[in-house]
Amino acid sequence: QVTLKESGPVLVKPTETLTLTCTVSGFSLSNARMGVSWIRQPPGKALEWLAHIFSNDEKSYSTSLKSRLTISKDTSKSQVVLTMTNMDPVDTATYYCARTSLGIASWFDPWGQGTLVTVSS
Amino acid sequence: EIVMTQSPATLSVSPGERATLSCRASQSVSSNLAWYQQKPGQAPRLLIYGASTRATGIPARFSGSGSGTEFTLTISSLQSEDFAVYYCQQYNNWWTFGQGTKVEIK
Repeated sequence: QVTLKESGPVLVKPTETLTLTCTVSGFSLSNARMGVSWIRQPPGKALEWLAHIFSNDEKSYSTSLKSRLTISKDTSKSQVVLTMTNMDPVDTATYYCARTSLGIASWFDPWGQGTLVTVSS
Repeated sequence: EIVMTQSPATLSVSPGERATLSCRASQSVSSNLAWYQQKPGQAPRLLIYGASTRATGIPARFSGSGSGTEFTLTISSLQSEDFAVYYCQQYNNWWTFGQGTKVEIK
């Protein structure tokens, strides 16, 4: 069974850097065509794709947030890490990770349960 | 960036009735279109990929159609568990989501 689980701080202060971890099971991050994305959803709003990492370690970022995001993976730990710098209250959202399994042109399935991050002083 | 536009924003439907949701892409995404269902407090769940292929375990009352820039999700006979928010997503050029359609009980 393929599962993903997000972890990280519940509360961060403005200007701080957010670090989130996605721990996967049921597949290997080194398997060809496998990848993991991060997606966020502000309360009551739509989904927004943030970043993606492929099995070959190639990365892609949302154009609007590229300067603030870094995605990386530790295959031995089955973890994908997202960092977002200079956090602001507008970054308050539930952050999800999700798997792709057919390379670049692939949908997200499954998703993690999500983790709510609040940005406040 | 490809912009996905969903309509309507809210759809009021009685149980047992048909629901038709629309999704338009700002440029062609071929058939690289997925639909997700999201219930309150839950992560999105994949319903449809490839514009028309049901994901594993998805009931046959859910169907998808379209290609290029115009897509439709149809729920043939709404059940109580189908009232939720539905998102379309293109994966032809990285990934973008629509703004969602909320299907509510009439």
